[in-house]
Amino acid sequence: GIQVEQSPPDLILQEGANSTLRCNFSDSVNNLQWFHQNPWGQLINLFYIPSGTKQNGRLSATTVATERYSLLYISSSQTTDSGVYFCAGVYNQGGKLIFGQGTELSVKP
Amino acid sequence: EAGVAQSPRYKIIEKRQSVAFWCNPISGHATLYWYQQILGQGPKLLIQFQNNGVVDDSQLPKDRFSAERLKGVDSTLKIQPAKLEDSAVYLCASSFGTAAEAFFGQGTRLTVV
Repeated sequence: GIQVEQSPPDLILQEGANSTLRCNFSDSVNNLQWFHQNPWGQLINLFYIPSGTKQNGRLSATTVATERYSLLYISSSQTTDSGVYFCAGVYNQGGKLIFGQGTELSVKP
Repeated sequence: EAGVAQSPRYKIIEKRQSVAFWCNPISGHATLYWYQQILGQGPKLLIQFQNNGVVDDSQLPKDRFSAERLKGVDSTLKIQPAKLEDSAVYLCASSFGTAAEAFFGQGTRLTVV
C-alpha cells in the first residue's frame, strides 16, 4: 500500500543546533504537509508544500516531487521546538491524506 | 477565522459502552477527515467525507464505528460498543478540497477502561 516513511524516528539536539528531518513517500503526491504536534496533542500546520521550497523564520522545507521526498530544516533550534514532527501526503489515487510515523525531536537547554 | 472545533476534549468510558464525538469544520471546507491516533503512532485515517458523501472508509471498523456528515457540514463519529484498544486521540480535520491544505482540531482523548 501507499507508505510515508520519516527519518530519523528520534532526534536529540542541543539548543542552537540545526537539524534536517526527511520524509519519503512511495507514490506521487498532490499535497505534502508538515505538522508539529505539541505536548497537548494539537497538530500545528508548518508547511503546505507539494513542491519547491518555502521558509518561515527558522524553519524551511523542500519537496522534490519527482524524487518523492521532502525535507524539513530547523535552524538554531530552541527548546520550544521539541515535540513530534509529522509529514503527510495526499496521493493521486483516492485523495487520502496519509501520515508518516513521525520524528520525535527533543531540544535540550 | 474560526478553526476546526471538536468536542468533547476528554472522555472516559467503560468497555462495551458507546461514545460519540462531534466535529465542526472550518466554514466552506468541503473535505472532512476523522483520524485515530494511538499513543506513539502517526494519525490513521478512519473516514474521509467530501461534502456529505464518503470518499474513503476502508480503515473504519464498521462493526463498531460509524460516522455521518449530515448536510455536508458538522460530523459525528460514534463507537458502539467500545473496546480497550479504542483508547486513543480522535482527530478531525477539514480542507477546502482533497488536495488542499488540511487543518486539525484539538482532538478528543478517549480512554476506555
